[in-house]
Amino acid sequence: GENVEQHPSTLSVQEGDSAVIKCTYSDSASNYFPWYKQELGKGPQLIIDIRSNVGEKKDQRIAVTLNKTAKHFSLHITETQPEDSAVYFCAASRRFQKLVFGTGTRLLVSP
Amino acid sequence: GAVVSQHPSWVICKSGTSVKIECRSLDFQATTMFWYRQFPKQSLMLMATSNEGSKATYEQGVEKDKFLINHASLTLSTLTVTSAHPEDSSFYICSAREDRVESYEQYFGPGTRLTVT
Repeated sequence: GENVEQHPSTLSVQEGDSAVIKCTYSDSASNYFPWYKQELGKGPQLIIDIRSNVGEKKDQRIAVTLNKTAKHFSLHITETQPEDSAVYFCAASRRFQKLVFGTGTRLLVSP
Repeated sequence: GAVVSQHPSWVICKSGTSVKIECRSLDFQATTMFWYRQFPKQSLMLMATSNEGSKATYEQGVEKDKFLINHASLTLSTLTVTSAHPEDSSFYICSAREDRVESYEQYFGPGTRLTVT
């Protein structure tokens, strides 16, 4: 089955810096890769996703890149703000299959 | 994005009693719904997957007689924790997906904090 590894487990940056979180997956047939942001005491919020037919996707300060050959994908947050502080989860799945989540990255953005 | 609601947001119950958690998709038809459990500072653990009108598929190690799931309609799924024990205390989160050809997204509810005393 699918296995997703996520690094780093914690990431501290200064406000305005960029943050990068990386994930690797094992199932070459996986074709959907979402990223979720979870604030304390809340459910995960879908912030961006990418499908296997695309190499990069951007939404304002957030971008995701996918390297199918190496089986890894990354979340890039530019111009970080304190409100970006949260736990971020990557996930991977085949179409219509269950999501397999990474272990999460705790991002702390200091003012 | 689409909206998924959960009720209640938190509940306290006595050991041995049962508690029901509702999950609703508010603006789309949830062909598939999922129930997760999350312990502090850990990732999401999938408990079961359900399709409307069908029996839920439980993950290995999850007691189906203890965690009863009913996906009654395309907008409602319920999780009933039966004969609750303190070790069932956790954060329970549902999510929903509309399995259309062009749709891949899975949306999560806000979660329900269960405390069993």
